[in-house]
Amino acid sequence: NAGVTQTPKFQVLKTGQSMTLQCAQDMNHEYMSWYRQDPGMGLRLIHYSVGAGITDQGEVPNGYNVSRSTTEDFPLRLLSAAPSQTSVYFCASRQPGQGAGEQFFGPGTRLTVL
Amino acid sequence: GQNIDQPTEMTATEGAIVQINCTYQTSGFNGLFWYQQHAGEAPTFLSYNVLDGLEEKGRFSSFLSRSKGYSYLLLKELQMKDSASYLCAVSDWRGGYQKVTFGIGTKLQVIP
Repeated sequence: NAGVTQTPKFQVLKTGQSMTLQCAQDMNHEYMSWYRQDPGMGLRLIHYSVGAGITDQGEVPNGYNVSRSTTEDFPLRLLSAAPSQTSVYFCASRQPGQGAGEQFFGPGTRLTVL
Repeated sequence: GQNIDQPTEMTATEGAIVQINCTYQTSGFNGLFWYQQHAGEAPTFLSYNVLDGLEEKGRFSSFLSRSKGYSYLLLKELQMKDSASYLCAVSDWRGGYQKVTFGIGTKLQVIP
């Protein structure tokens, strides 16, 4: 199993550009999440999904869109990149239920917006 | 919402024991996780507590008191490779779904 994969690993954008960060998992997990990690801020939840076709906002959703057409894939779209979106982005997946299952994280995408 | 507090930095000596504390406030508590994150890498799972008490896993142990909203991660026989950030994360039921919120992390430096 590859676990959780993310592409690209690094990306530089100019202000106003749009792009999609890809995330895929092969563990058949229902829950998938996108986090951003900034110095001194910890991991903050952007959007999450509890199954195909179901998504919801996290703590910091503005400027980002998601969709979940399959169990495996959960792409994150930046609509119009801003310097404030410079960050490290992690995708994670897990199974729900009592016991709450550990989250498995992808390797991250390091995004710089100029 | 949630409030998770943990120290931002700690330093400990190789071979020693260190305790990293985490306090939280939440409703609908569904469990507490500890993750390890080395610089430039993704977080990896260390432990999970949902009931009060101590969970031991090799050199690492994690404790939970739900009534006090308190947990700690205990690292024994510290090794240089334990230098990393340790993230406390709380799972709770909100809006019918389980959501996980992370603290800012405690950066642990192990010195010779």
